[in-house]
Amino acid sequence: NAGVMQNPRHLVRRRGQEARLRCSPMKGHSHVYWYRQLPEEGLKFMVYLQKENIIDESGMPKERFSAEFPKEGPSILRIQQVVRGDSAAYFCASSPRNQETQYFGPGTRLLVL
Amino acid sequence: DAKTTQPNSMESNEEEPVHLPCNHSTISGTDYIHWYRQLPSQGPEYVIHGLTSNVNNRMASLAIAEDRKSSTLILHRATLRDAAVYYCILRDGIQGAQKLVFGQGTRLTINP
Repeated sequence: NAGVMQNPRHLVRRRGQEARLRCSPMKGHSHVYWYRQLPEEGLKFMVYLQKENIIDESGMPKERFSAEFPKEGPSILRIQQVVRGDSAAYFCASSPRNQETQYFGPGTRLLVL
Repeated sequence: DAKTTQPNSMESNEEEPVHLPCNHSTISGTDYIHWYRQLPSQGPEYVIHGLTSNVNNRMASLAIAEDRKSSTLILHRATLRDAAVYYCILRDGIQGAQKLVFGQGTRLTINP
């Protein structure tokens, strides 16, 4: 059973460009979570999604950030008009329905020049 | 979410046991105690969780105080690969799947 997949593993963008981060959950998992880890800081929750629904987006910045988890395909975290402060590691996690353990992917490291 | 308190850092020697403490004095009756760890340049990894009784798995043991206001993660025989940041997290068991709230964790250094 493959683990949580994230791509790309590294992403470089210039200020003002868009960043798209993809997350494929483990097989059979219908819950997806996105977390951000700024340099030298702890992980912060961003958004929690189930298929086609956003359940909790209390950690998402109000502007430029959006997330989706379509019926088919991976979950996408989209950052529009990136700024240098968006440089961070973005981790995706998934869990099976009605269970508590979250399984994390290897992360996408975004660098904004 | 109930708050946990952990030491910022700890150091141990290879092949010795390691006891990582966590205080959670405001824990509620339905909060599970979870431990995750994050190895350098990797995503967090689930270690163990428990409610009231001590728990063992292939990675570690979790000792929970009788009043549940503290717990200890025990690595029985540390290896260099156990060097990581260890996070103690409380999660409400009734509400089920929900976000994890990470603190600063304990950075564990293992000396060869």
